[in-house]
Amino acid sequence: AQSVSQHNHHVILSEAASLELGCNYSYGGTVNLFWYVQYPGQHLQLLLKYFSGDPLVKGIKGFEAEFIKSKFSFNLRKPSVQWSDTAEYFCAAVTGGGNKLTFGTGTQLKVEL
Amino acid sequence: DTGVSQDPRHKITKRGQNVTFRCDPISEHNRLYWYRQTLGQGPEFLTYFQNEAQLEKSRLLSDRFSAERPKGSFSTLEIQRTEQGDSAMYLCASSSNPRDRNRDTQYFGPGTRLTVL
Repeated sequence: AQSVSQHNHHVILSEAASLELGCNYSYGGTVNLFWYVQYPGQHLQLLLKYFSGDPLVKGIKGFEAEFIKSKFSFNLRKPSVQWSDTAEYFCAAVTGGGNKLTFGTGTQLKVEL
Repeated sequence: DTGVSQDPRHKITKRGQNVTFRCDPISEHNRLYWYRQTLGQGPEFLTYFQNEAQLEKSRLLSDRFSAERPKGSFSTLEIQRTEQGDSAMYLCASSSNPRDRNRDTQYFGPGTRLTVL
């Protein structure tokens, strides 16, 4: 069965530091990839998505992610984090032309002033 | 676009009671999904509707769980004879059916937090 792995469970950064959160998926066929964010007390919101084409996708709030097919990865990056980026980040995939999202376990990011 | 709404936001019940949750998708979205999220985990897929048809159910959806979408708009998720293990956040998402179904994007509601005592 397909799975999504996020290896960083908790990340603490200082403001202005660069961010990279890892995401790997296990599926050899067509895959659509997503990053969702959940700010404290709020619901899941879409950050960015990849369907096809340019493997470097840009999302909201300065986030970007790169799809590397050979590494089965879709890492999330931001060059300079802000305190307001404190949230939980989820990587998710839809595989094989299906409909359901398979989520990773999430990464809790804390940005300190 | 008012987003996906869910009701109630919180539900506390005693073991053995039945509970029902409602989800109103983004208007004109014809796909609706239910997920369950427990502490420290990502959401897990439960079931999916396209219009009023329930097209897929997870093995997580035991026979105590039933979901409906009678008119292809709002959906309800009922849990009968609740157990403590049912305590979780129940999330609803909706999406449209674009010409290219491989570009479907799901938008989530705020969830219903269920606590079974």
